[in-house]
Order: sequence, then C-alpha cells, then structure tokens
Amino acid sequence: EIVMTQSPATLSFSPGERATLSCRASQSVRTNLAWYQQKPGQAPRLVIFAASTRATGIPARFSGSGSGTEFTLTITSLRSEDFAVYYCQQYSNWPPYTFGQGTKLE
Amino acid sequence: QVQLVQSGAEVKKPGSSVKVSCETSGGIFNNYALNWVRQAPGQGLEWMGGIIPISGAANYAQKFLDRITITADESTNTATMELRSLTSEDTAVYFCARAYTSETYYSPLIYWGQGTLVTVSS
Repeated sequence: EIVMTQSPATLSFSPGERATLSCRASQSVRTNLAWYQQKPGQAPRLVIFAASTRATGIPARFSGSGSGTEFTLTITSLRSEDFAVYYCQQYSNWPPYTFGQGTKLE
Repeated sequence: QVQLVQSGAEVKKPGSSVKVSCETSGGIFNNYALNWVRQAPGQGLEWMGGIIPISGAANYAQKFLDRITITADESTNTATMELRSLTSEDTAVYFCARAYTSETYYSPLIYWGQGTLVTVSS
C-alpha cells in the first residue's frame, strides 16, 4: 500500500497570500495524484487531478505540480473561501486508493 | 449535472449491520466506478471499496474484506454498501464517490454524495 504524507498538518496564512501545500508518496505514483478541498460538514471537492490539471470550475489561482513521489498544490492570492482542509490522493496503485492525512489551511 | 444522493443518518448497536445507499442521477451509471470512502470524526479519508456496475464485481480494501459488501442496481442507478459487525470505531461519515474516468478505478473521484453519518453506540 502506498502511504501518502502531507506536511505540515496546519498552515496559517492571511487572505491575499500565497500558499504551498506538500504531499509525498512512499513510492512513485507517476502523475496519478489528485487534490481535494474539504470544508466543514461538506463532501470533498476535486480540485486538481493528474497532478496538475484543474477540475472543472476550479479557479486559476489553484495549480498543482510534481510527479513521482513529490507533489505541490499552490494557491496564489488566497481568498476567504480557500481556507479548508486539503487532501492528496494517489490512484496509481490500486487497491486501495490512499489519501494523505490532510493539511488544514487556516 | 451528475448528482449522488445518499440515504439518511443511521444509529446502530455494536455488532449490528448498516446499509447505506447512493443513487446517481444525471449521468451514465453503469460504466463508472462507484466508491465508498469514510471519514471518522476529525479524521481523514479512508477508501473502503468500490464497484463498476457494468462489471458487477466489487473490490474492497483489505481492512474491510470480511465484513463489507458493495452492490449496484442498474435498474435504479443505486449503489449500496453494507458494513457488518459494527463497532464504535465504525462511527463515521460515509461518502459515495464516482470516478472521473469510465471503466477504471485508476481515476480521481469527481462526484461525491452528501455523506451519511453512521453512529455506532450501545
């Protein structure tokens, strides 16, 4: 099973700042990596897939990069609605899908 | 517009079973993997298993192999997850989530149900 590690658990920013979230896989997942945004009481929302492709309706301030074992989600010019928990997920080696433990953007 | 609508919250006794359903509308049901992901209170996301309805065969995470069954009913576009031998550690929100790419599990999860809270308590 591939282990996904996100660090740190919490990141603190102010609106307008740039945030960079990290995700590491225990073995290569190529670019089979997705990022999800989850707000309290809501289901996760797909933000990025294939490591760098924005899902439909996701603003251009969100971008993803990386391949293999190291991945980054960058949010430029944070808006209030961006403060949430972000999870990375690999879908390269299945079963199972595995998720990181999440990074809370506050 | 694809929508996944799940059944309502459940309260169960330890040792019992729960069934959670997920009805898909607005899209093709048969060809896309329908997965179940759970989230314990304050915790992260955990994949439990999934099914591609057209194949009829479900796949499960090793952790749940002996007590989970996922089925799909093409006539009602509904997938159902049954979890047996419940303990307090199964208290969680259970989500169904559909794959982005058809006929494969090697896909991100693009559409999610609203979640169903299952509480296991004596």
